[in-house]
Formats: sequence, C-alpha cells, structure tokens
Amino acid sequence: GAGVSQSPSNKVTEKGKDVELRCDPISGHTALYWYRQSLGQGLEFLIYFQGNSAPDKSGLPSDRFSAERTGGSVSTLTIQRTQQEDSAVYLCASSSIAGGSTDTQYFGPGTRLTVL
Amino acid sequence: AQSVTQPDIHITVSEGASLELRCNYSYGATPYLFWYVQSPGQGLQLLLKYFSGDTLVQGIKGFEAEFKRSQSSFNLRKPSVHWSDAAEYFCAVGPRSGAGSYQLTFGKGTKLSVIP
Repeated sequence: GAGVSQSPSNKVTEKGKDVELRCDPISGHTALYWYRQSLGQGLEFLIYFQGNSAPDKSGLPSDRFSAERTGGSVSTLTIQRTQQEDSAVYLCASSSIAGGSTDTQYFGPGTRLTVL
Repeated sequence: AQSVTQPDIHITVSEGASLELRCNYSYGATPYLFWYVQSPGQGLQLLLKYFSGDTLVQGIKGFEAEFKRSQSSFNLRKPSVHWSDAAEYFCAVGPRSGAGSYQLTFGKGTKLSVIP
C-alpha cells in the first residue's frame, strides 16, 4: 500500500473489555513499531518487530498488553481487561531496513482508544 | 536516562512570520536527531533529521534545524509560516548504535497555531 494503515481509527470500549488494534505496514518493510501517545505526552515506545527475530517488548506497560506480527507483515496489538488509563492514541510505524535509528519510520494515522 | 524537552507547549504565530521551535535533549552521547510533524488525524511525518556533518539541516516544507552540541539543542525554524503549517511538532532522539538503537525518544510536542 501507499502508507501505513491502522484500524479501527477510533475505538470506544468499556473498562474490562479486550481490544485489538491492527496495523498494516508499508509493503516490504521489515521493521514495525508500536507507540502510545497519551494526552499531552510524547510518544511512548511499546514494542518492536524486526523480521523473524524475537520482538523487543521492553516498552509494554503491563502484561495486559501483547502484540503479534503474522507472516512478517500485519501486526495486532491486544489490550486485555482495558483500564481507563489505557485511553490514548496508538500509533504504528514501519521502516525498511534493519530498524536502526537511521531508518526513517513511517507512521500510520493511529487508533484513538477511549476506555469508558 | 535520555530525555527530550520541548519547552513550548503551544505557540501562535501570524501567517508570514518566522518560527522557531525549541528542542533540548539530555543524552549520554550525541544522538541522532529528528523533527516530526503531526497534522490533525494524521500520523507523524518526518520533517528532517541530523546524523552528522553540517549542523544546519534542511528538511521538507521549507523547514530547517540547527544542531548545537554545546547547548544540546536542535531547534526547528521556518522563515515564513503558512497557514497549512498549523500542526503539532515533535522532536525526537535516537541512539547511534547498540541494543535498542531503533528506539526513539520523543518530546511532548509543541502545538503550532497560525493566525491568518
């Protein structure tokens, strides 16, 4: 595709429910990143996938958060038993090379999650 | 720990006026430096980046940034602002090498409003 796409664009859920957020990276990009952007905050790194390597999950805030990447392409971020503090915009990015700082990360439009 | 400070939360300028957005970083060594822009409902777009060499970096949309090692700063400038520049701007840093070199640290952003 032309860019990184994310779905849904908006998600409203009730506290305690599980949610799944989807990211379609740019075709051919091997590196994929998830970030969280809370109100008034910068982007917070969550997780990084590179090819078939084990993901870097060091940024996940709790064990309620998990992510997978199927076939080296589409990724799903799952939040279990959502809490109100999970309300944020979740951004996905992809890059084409080895995932170092020099690689330009291309961002999707984000999913705005609201937990009531 | 590394950090990025954008001291101005919100800036308002008149169309045609010059613009400077401030960014200071705290890091163990000179990192890679980036400026991203986020328009409403859009993902982040890379404006420019500094890796090495000339400390004045040119980017897209007429933006430039100057790296000043002595001040640990990477301020973004534009000589004449257009109404379409209204957006939120994020400064980010990334390590040059080592484990987790793909992890960017973002500032909290500066929201730019443009008065016609």
